[in-house]
Amino acid sequence: AQSVTQLGSHVSVSEGALVLLRCNYSSSVPPYLFWYVQYPNQGLQLLLKYTSAATLVKGINGFEAEFKKSETSFHLTKPSAHMSDAAEYFCAVTSNRMKTSYDKVIFGPGTSLSVIP
Amino acid sequence: NAGVTQTPKFRVLKTGQSMTLLCAQDMNHEYMYWYRQDPGMGLRLIHYSVGEGTTAKGEVPDGYNVSRLKKQNFLLGLESAAPSQTSVYFCASSLRANVLTFGAGSRLTVL
Repeated sequence: AQSVTQLGSHVSVSEGALVLLRCNYSSSVPPYLFWYVQYPNQGLQLLLKYTSAATLVKGINGFEAEFKKSETSFHLTKPSAHMSDAAEYFCAVTSNRMKTSYDKVIFGPGTSLSVIP
Repeated sequence: NAGVTQTPKFRVLKTGQSMTLLCAQDMNHEYMYWYRQDPGMGLRLIHYSVGEGTTAKGEVPDGYNVSRLKKQNFLLGLESAAPSQTSVYFCASSLRANVLTFGAGSRLTVL
């Protein structure tokens, strides 16, 4: 079975400060990992994904995440927070297998990011 | 390019009433999904479909039914609404079962 935990349901950072959102996963098979962002009153949109190529993955809006198998982690970072980064962030996992059948995408509970001016 | 469109965006029901949420995608995706989002619980999969004419249960299917008569549409039905079904519902679609494209959500309140 797969699962995702996100440490911290709410994170506050100052504008210009480092953003670090934590994600740890559990998977018995090689995983695909994702970060999605949800702005207020909108659906989720993909920030970045790890699909077993490079372990450091770059996404949109200056975000990146590093896959660390030994730590079963996929933390999301951004060097300098902007006011527009305030949103809910979801980490998700699915299995890295031939996609000839459905494998569930498991979402974490989410982390709400606030950016203080 | 509309992507994934959900209707209606808001709805208020009384306990016991029925309703249908419509999801339409124009990306020719094979897979479609219905999730519900509740505070502190992330997204939970209700039902999904891996192709036209097929449906399957997700994590929380009780009280919901779905149909996928056309590839581009995925309908979520509540036959007898309950207050526990008050939630924000998201439809999503994907070409294969990994990267999801989400709709904007449908907020349902059951009184």
